[in-house]
Order: sequence, then C-alpha cells, then structure tokens
Amino acid sequence: AQSVTQLDSQVPVFEEAPVELRCNYSSSVSVYLFWYVQYPNQGLQLLLKYLSGSTLVKGINGFEAEFNKSQTSFHLRKPSVHISDTAEYFCAVILMNYGGATNKLIFGTGTLLAVQP
Amino acid sequence: KAGVTQTPRYLIKTRGQQVTLSCSPISGHRSVSWYQQTPGQGLQFLFEYFSETQRNKGNFPGRFSGRQFSNSRSEMNVSTLELGDSALYLCASCEPGFTDTQYFGPGTRLTVL
Repeated sequence: AQSVTQLDSQVPVFEEAPVELRCNYSSSVSVYLFWYVQYPNQGLQLLLKYLSGSTLVKGINGFEAEFNKSQTSFHLRKPSVHISDTAEYFCAVILMNYGGATNKLIFGTGTLLAVQP
Repeated sequence: KAGVTQTPRYLIKTRGQQVTLSCSPISGHRSVSWYQQTPGQGLQFLFEYFSETQRNKGNFPGRFSGRQFSNSRSEMNVSTLELGDSALYLCASCEPGFTDTQYFGPGTRLTVL
C-alpha cells in the first residue's frame, strides 16, 4: 500500500536557524511529490512540487526540497526560518497514472514547525 | 481571480442529521476534490469530480456523497451524521491535469453533537 511518513510530529527551532522537515514515502509505482503548508484556521497552500527533472526543487517563501529516489525521501529545508513560518507542513504524493487520471493526494500526518524567538 | 470558496465556514449538527457543504472552485477549474481533516486520521481523500463525473473515490462509507454541477461548483453531503464525522472538510480545485497545482479553500468546520 502507498503511504507517506512524516516522522517528526513537531519540530521546535529558533528564529534564523536552519530547519529540515523529513518526509519518506512508500509506493509500488512512481509518484509526484508535494509539500503543503497550513496556517491556523486556513486551508492548505502549495509550497513546492516535484514532477520530474532536477531533484532539487525550490518553492515559495525560501523553502526547497530534494527528491532522493533511492531513499524514497523528499525532505523540506529552509536555511533561515522566521516566526511567520510557524505552521503545519504536510508532505503528499500523487500516484502516477496507472489507469485513470486522478488528483488524489495522499498526505502524511503533518509536522508542526514551531519557530521560537 | 477569486480563490476557492467554501460555505458555510462553520456548522453544528446533531447525530442523525444530514448536512450539505458547498464548494465554488477557481474560475476555469474543472476538477474539484474533497478531503476530510481530523486530528486522529489526518487528511483523507473523499472524492474527486471532473466535468460533473466522479473520477475517484476514497474509502468512506456511502453516507458520504457528492456531486458537481455544470458550472463546476460542487457539493458534498453527509447523511445520518455520526460524532466521528466532526472534522474540517476541505475542497480543492485545479485545472484538469493531475500534475497541476491544487488550490484549497479555507474549509468547513463541521461539529456533530
């Protein structure tokens, strides 16, 4: 079965420090990979996505992620965080088309990034 | 362009009742997906509609249903509500390609008493 694992439920970090949020996936087929952010009382916003090509993907707000096929990982990084980055971050996959087009996102359980002054 | 809108934003119902939630996608988007978000189960896919047809369905009981209208607006319905249906229901829209960015609405917070 396909799954997405975010091992860290919460990551505390001081302002201006670097951060890495981990994401691993398990799938018998190739996947497209996504990171979404959810601020309190809001919906989800796409940070970045990996479809193909360069394994290093840059997104909004200074975030980037690297796809590692051998380790089936897609970790999210930011070199210097701000208080405003405090939010919940979700890793997600879409299974590559195996018989019909779909936009079904399979989400991880989320990581709460808590930036402290 | 206006974003994805969902109505109502908050809803309180009692067990056994039914509820209908509405989602208006971004203009021009023909694909609409619904997700349930709970603290225990996280974000789970309910169903996806494209051009008024259900294209994919998650593992939810038949009490959960949806539809899409010709203007791409979508509704989801939950009948015979249970306490466990309390959740944030999120709607997302995108253009037809499954690699396209999905834009999420703010959600409808449903509380079942």
